[in-house]
Amino acid sequence: DGGITQSPKYLFRKEGQNVTLSCEQNLNHDAMYWYRQDPGQGLRLIYYSQIVNDFQKGDIAEGYSVSREKKESFPLTVTSAQKNPTAFYLCATQEELAKNIQYFGAGTRLSVL
Amino acid sequence: SQQGEEDPQALSIQEGENATMNCSYKTSINNLQWYRQNSGRGLVHLILIRSNEREKHSGRLRVTLDTSKKSSSLLITASRAADTASYFCATGVRQGAQKLVFGQGTRLTINP
Repeated sequence: DGGITQSPKYLFRKEGQNVTLSCEQNLNHDAMYWYRQDPGQGLRLIYYSQIVNDFQKGDIAEGYSVSREKKESFPLTVTSAQKNPTAFYLCATQEELAKNIQYFGAGTRLSVL
Repeated sequence: SQQGEEDPQALSIQEGENATMNCSYKTSINNLQWYRQNSGRGLVHLILIRSNEREKHSGRLRVTLDTSKKSSSLLITASRAADTASYFCATGVRQGAQKLVFGQGTRLTINP
């Protein structure tokens, strides 16, 4: 997990509320990714960004938003439009596109109150 | 979309035995990778095998890739209690950008 910091570790959301998950990296990697993991399941891609000020939707982007204003930071906002947000959220980086190996943070567990 | 199917979903063996996990995928790939996840933690990269390779070794890990059958296997030899974790295969695909598509994982338990 070294070099990628996700915060908070646990987060609780009230109905109708937007919450933001933080992902910061000091690896100087260009690409960053957000995944959602449900219990006993694999990872599903929410959003990804290959360079600053640019990002693309993944497979399950509805109800989420991101920004990439700095190379080091890729925050994920879970909006009130996401009706089933309870999950484990993982942020990852990739050194360069050709290498295709991803490095993961420790994750944020989001629950609904 | 999840293109990896892993088998078995769960595996329980005794310490010292070998553990084999399988992964099948659907589309053409650039590479296939295996990751490990301890409970409640992030994933850690274990090994990458390119589409033009058939076998690769790293310590106690051995990965095979059969592109004609669209399948891969991960063998962990001489298992240890510390190997208890979930193991995921991930296929490297190019769909406009380099992305990884993850399987659902195999949950491995090593009994002391």
